[in-house]
Amino acid sequence: GQNIDQPTEMTATEGAIVQINCTYQTSGFNGLFWYQQHAGEAPTFLSYNVLDGLEEKGRFSSFLSRSKGYSYLLLKELQMKDSASYLCAVVEGGYQKVTFGTGTKLQVIP
Amino acid sequence: SAVISQKPSRDICQRGTSLTIQCQVDSQVTMMFWYRQQPGQSLTLIATANQGSEATYESGFVIDKFPISRPNLTFSTLTVSNMSPEDSSIYLCSVEDPQGGLSGANVLTFGAGSRLTVL
Repeated sequence: GQNIDQPTEMTATEGAIVQINCTYQTSGFNGLFWYQQHAGEAPTFLSYNVLDGLEEKGRFSSFLSRSKGYSYLLLKELQMKDSASYLCAVVEGGYQKVTFGTGTKLQVIP
Repeated sequence: SAVISQKPSRDICQRGTSLTIQCQVDSQVTMMFWYRQQPGQSLTLIATANQGSEATYESGFVIDKFPISRPNLTFSTLTVSNMSPEDSSIYLCSVEDPQGGLSGANVLTFGAGSRLTVL
């Protein structure tokens, strides 16, 4: 089984940088996703990490440390439209099962 | 990426009734996944639907409560049977979209979800 932990809520200011952390415990790690979910909408893919290090994609970056069971999503130059829930999801083992964390609700304020 | 259509988008149901949710994909896919998202919660995998075989259910979910059909490679249904207020949730269909490239990740693409309210 898996245990995935994220902060429940965060608040950040427009234009600032925010880091959303995710820690996990799994018996067979095979990758980690970050998804964005606006209220009332389906989750959409943001990033994928399978190797240690930083993956950068525009204003969003995602970091992974497999030895520490740790990832973070970094959002730069925050915009009001970034207000959403951010879901950390871990891929486990050969079955490729994806397990989602409880999500972090980010509120961007002016 | 795949485009997924789900219906109904929302419904209000009476206790004890059953409702079938349909999921249509615009391309052929091997596996389709059904998730539940209860109010304020994250997504929980209910089952994996493979064409030509019985669905594989996760711990805590059983076929009698959530029967699934997968008649072809582009369509699946999930039925929520004998509903109670605890079944009030958003039910989402998803498929894997291979991203290719160096990561080789199979990203999940989701339908818009079906929001069920059970009275």
